[in-house]
Amino acid sequence: LAKTTQPISMDSYEGQEVNITCSHNNIATNDYITWYQQFPSQGPRFIIQGYKTKVTNEVASLFIPADRKSSTLSLPRVSLSDTAVYYCLVGEGGSQGNLIFGKGTKLSVKP
Amino acid sequence: KAGVTQTPRYLIKTRGQQVTLSCSPISGHRSVSWYQQTPGQGLQFLFEYFSETQRNKGNFPGRFSGRQFSNSRSEMNVSTLELGDSALYLCASSLPDRGDTEAFFGQGTRLTVV
Repeated sequence: LAKTTQPISMDSYEGQEVNITCSHNNIATNDYITWYQQFPSQGPRFIIQGYKTKVTNEVASLFIPADRKSSTLSLPRVSLSDTAVYYCLVGEGGSQGNLIFGKGTKLSVKP
Repeated sequence: KAGVTQTPRYLIKTRGQQVTLSCSPISGHRSVSWYQQTPGQGLQFLFEYFSETQRNKGNFPGRFSGRQFSNSRSEMNVSTLELGDSALYLCASSLPDRGDTEAFFGQGTRLTVV
């Protein structure tokens, strides 16, 4: 499983767009990139997953450049409730049962 | 559909005791994984069960064990509890054989060892 590197923490203000970048230089051909969100004392929650280019859903966008060695999670117009830890994970298809979490990025949204 | 259910939510045990935690996956999910989360070590993978067989195992001592039943429900057991076993234990279920799916986590069981 590819190792990921992401910032330890980020601060933002309500209404701003937040971009969290994750590096995964050793990503393999079969690997997907997945982001999870975790609030204190709760289990992580799936946000978005992608393989290449751009993926968008109702809560976020995921940008993946052609070389796939990094990815950027974009949260549009964050609110206080988006304060959480965000984890970037890289793994091959079928590895959802064996997730390797890094330290994650603690996002703090201020009023 | 119902999510992943973990019981109990909170537990207090004494050093040396053993504990059993339970996890009911989402209907149709055959893979159940367990994770330990502590402030110091973060989220760490314990083991994965698929069709009643342990498929993957993390780097934890043999005091940590688990099993999965034919209905995919899973239990994990920790014997001879130590203070350092105090943690949030999370269970996740998934459809493991597709690349474009996700793991669904339960709310966790907060274990405190005193």
